[in-house]
Amino acid sequence: AQTVTQSQPEMSVQEAETVTLSCTYDTSESDYYLFWYKQPPSRQMILVIRQEAYKQQNATENRFSVNFQKAAKSFSLKISDSQLGDAAMYFCAYRSAAGSGGGADGLTFGKGTHLIIQP
Amino acid sequence: ETGVTQTPRHLVMGMTNKKSLKCEQHLGHNAMYWYKQSAKKPLELMFVYSLEERVENNSVPSRFSPECPNSSHLFLHLHTLQPEDSALYLCASSQTDDSGKGTQYFGPGTRLTVL
Repeated sequence: AQTVTQSQPEMSVQEAETVTLSCTYDTSESDYYLFWYKQPPSRQMILVIRQEAYKQQNATENRFSVNFQKAAKSFSLKISDSQLGDAAMYFCAYRSAAGSGGGADGLTFGKGTHLIIQP
Repeated sequence: ETGVTQTPRHLVMGMTNKKSLKCEQHLGHNAMYWYKQSAKKPLELMFVYSLEERVENNSVPSRFSPECPNSSHLFLHLHTLQPEDSALYLCASSQTDDSGKGTQYFGPGTRLTVL
């Protein structure tokens, strides 16, 4: 079974600064997807960024980028120019690309990192 | 309505009640999921439906009964729940072919309190 570990229960950053959230995972599979989701106080789970394991290039979405190290099974999220609206719980998640669900495989989540933005 | 919707948003029920949670997706997806989010625990996958067939039941107690009448709707029927079942229940949907890249889109959740 796959596991996802987020070792930082809480992180704090000054507005406009850069912060990096850590995530490691354990799997014996070679093909999979990795995600970062954001959950603000509204509790709506929002996709931030996605990485396909077969792609060596790190994914980027505006101020959000990842550092994907497949051999090290590491998948960190960098948020540049932090804004007050970035304050939320951030969850790292793993999904098999060739699981038994025929494309309908569930996500395995980490416990989350609470990101605080200091004005 | 767009995206994934869930009703009700909040639900308080006694242990002897029967209630249902509803999820509807407007994204044209063919797979739907129920997750449970408890305090201080990672999100837990409960059920997966693909093309209206249940493909995964993650050892969930029988007091939770899912139903997927079509690819746009998913229900979670609840009966004789326990206080430890109090949690946020999240519904998600995805497209199973490569076009979806494995991405699941979530609804806003139902906050369930069992007294």
